[in-house]
Amino acid sequence: DAKTTQPTSMDCAEGRAANLPCNHSTISGNEYVYWYRQIHSQGPQYIIHGLKNNETNEMASLIITEDRKSSTLILPHATLRDTAVYYCIVRGHILTGGGNKLTFGTGTQLKVEL
Amino acid sequence: DGGITQSPKYLFRKEGQNVTLSCEQNLNHDAMYWYRQDPGQGLRLIYYSQIVNDFQKGDIAEGYSVSREKKESFPLTVTSAQKNPTAFYLCASSVLAGTYNEQFFGPGTRLTVL
Repeated sequence: DAKTTQPTSMDCAEGRAANLPCNHSTISGNEYVYWYRQIHSQGPQYIIHGLKNNETNEMASLIITEDRKSSTLILPHATLRDTAVYYCIVRGHILTGGGNKLTFGTGTQLKVEL
Repeated sequence: DGGITQSPKYLFRKEGQNVTLSCEQNLNHDAMYWYRQDPGQGLRLIYYSQIVNDFQKGDIAEGYSVSREKKESFPLTVTSAQKNPTAFYLCASSVLAGTYNEQFFGPGTRLTVL
């Protein structure tokens, strides 16, 4: 699975958009980008995933660059409850040998403040 | 409610004792996983299982053992051979079919070896 690089920490004002970047320059054509988050001392929570098109769900939007070497997770209106560590993970399609394993890095600590 | 339960939330053991962590899911998921998390670090995969009576080593399996006698249950034993067992242990499960496999995590067990 491709290695990802994320900033160690970021701050965001409540109500503003939080934009979390992720670099995955060695991503291959069949690898997906996943985002999870972990609130302190809890289990990680799935947020969103994508292959090459931008994706949006009730939690967030995922913007993947055209060359797929980087992506940005957008929380449109961050709240205090969005304070967490955000993990960007790249892995292959389960049907093409991507397997079931998720490789977690150290992620980005997002702090949402008043 | 469907979900994953881990018990207990906090566990204390004396050095040299084996300890078994419980993980149960009622999501009818085929795959289950065990991760370890140390302070300030990401999650590392210990073992995973895709089907009853079968499991595979993850990245840090030494000093751990698992069993998968039932689809719903995937207990993890931390043996005395594990050199540094104090950590936060997370269990997860997922489906195997489909284009991706979102992993659902339990609340975790914090193990402290005295």
